[in-house]
Amino acid sequence: GAVVSQHPSWVICKSGTSVKIECRSLDFQATTMFWYRQFPKQSLMLMATSNEGSKATYEQGVEKDKFLINHASLTLSTLTVTSAHPEDSSFYICSARERNTEAFFGQGTRLTVV
Amino acid sequence: AQSVTQPDIHITVSEGASLELRCNYSYGATPYLFWYVQSPGQGLQLLLKYFSGDTLVQGIKGFEAEFKRSQSSFNLRKPSVHWSDAAEYFCAVGGLVGSARQLTFGSGTQLTVLP
Repeated sequence: GAVVSQHPSWVICKSGTSVKIECRSLDFQATTMFWYRQFPKQSLMLMATSNEGSKATYEQGVEKDKFLINHASLTLSTLTVTSAHPEDSSFYICSARERNTEAFFGQGTRLTVV
Repeated sequence: AQSVTQPDIHITVSEGASLELRCNYSYGATPYLFWYVQSPGQGLQLLLKYFSGDTLVQGIKGFEAEFKRSQSSFNLRKPSVHWSDAAEYFCAVGGLVGSARQLTFGSGTQLTVLP
């Protein structure tokens, strides 16, 4: 199946700093990418949907100024958590799909804000 | 609005026993249904999917699922569980594959396998 690579796998940052998470489709062109957040023992909650070359569409309750999403190419999307706080600590997962196919998931990024 | 219910938060089975994980969905049109497995600290791996056709779908690792439209269910089964199957399992429903509609996930079922 198609491969989606997420980097880094885990990151620890200080409160108030920004963190960038990358999501790459390695062997296909991802026209759409999705960013999810997962709290411990809970399901995945969609944060935003991004189409290549367009602004991301954020789900209700997700702060677009805090979670900056860039999908500048067909193989790369980035999620930047700006001015991170401990409550932003979570597991972030991306998925990517090519037109008319199912989505494939990255391995996730564990963010810890101290 | 689409939704997915996984009634069992946690299931414990003995190795070698059979397994059934329940999933009920709510969707206004023909659903596209998925089962994913997640090991601790890992992303999601697709076990199987149903788009159309035969309502009994075979997946990887010996898993299968049956789509029952009349019951709005898509239960996951495995005849003989292995210790390596211990993980979190998520059922998901989505729209047309070619649409931008995203997946909606159930709350997950944690599977524990006893030796």
